Amino acid sequence: AQSVTQLGSHVSVSEGALVLLRCNYSSSVPPYLFWYVQYPNQGLQLLLKYTSAATLVKGINGFEAEFKKSETSFHLTKPSAHMSDAAEYFCAVSEAGAGSYQLTFGKGTKLSVIP
Amino acid sequence: NAGVTQTPKFQVLKTGQSMTLQCAQDMNHEYMSWYRQDPGMGLRLIHYSVGAGITDQGEVPNGYNVSRSTTEDFPLRLLSAAPSQTSVYFCASSHTSGSIDEQYFGPGTRLTVT
Repeated sequence: AQSVTQLGSHVSVSEGALVLLRCNYSSSVPPYLFWYVQYPNQGLQLLLKYTSAATLVKGINGFEAEFKKSETSFHLTKPSAHMSDAAEYFCAVSEAGAGSYQLTFGKGTKLSVIP
Repeated sequence: NAGVTQTPKFQVLKTGQSMTLQCAQDMNHEYMSWYRQDPGMGLRLIHYSVGAGITDQGEVPNGYNVSRSTTEDFPLRLLSAAPSQTSVYFCASSHTSGSIDEQYFGPGTRLTVT
């Protein structure tokens, strides 16, 4: 069964500092991996996804994530935090293969950006 | 396109009452799903549908019912509300049921059961 662990339920960074949000997954087959962002009182929207084409994935708003099979990780980074990045971020996994319709989400990491 | 719409935005129910949360999408998506979001728990899948007339259970289906009579609509019914069902409910859809498809989320319904 697939699962996702996000380290740190709350991360604070200063404006302009590096953002690093950690995600580790467990999957019995090569997975597809996603990062979603949720702004206050809104639904989730896709930041980026890994579908085995390239290990370094670039997303919207300057975010990127690197798939590391040996570490079973898919950490999200952004070189310089902006106040508008304050939100909750969810890592999710979907196993490759037919019949796999379900996303399994991590518990989320709330990012605060300090001016 | 309106995308995924949900009504109502807020609802307060008394224990034992029933209600239906509405979800509609105008993108002709095959796959639709319902999640609940609770603090510190992430999103958990309640029910999903891979097309009109086809539904299946997710991780936390108890106390909820769904049907899918059209491609556009996927209502979620609470049969007899309980305080444990206090949560934020999100509906989502994607083009197909493939593993790599982006899911599009509605704005959510915040439900309180007293």
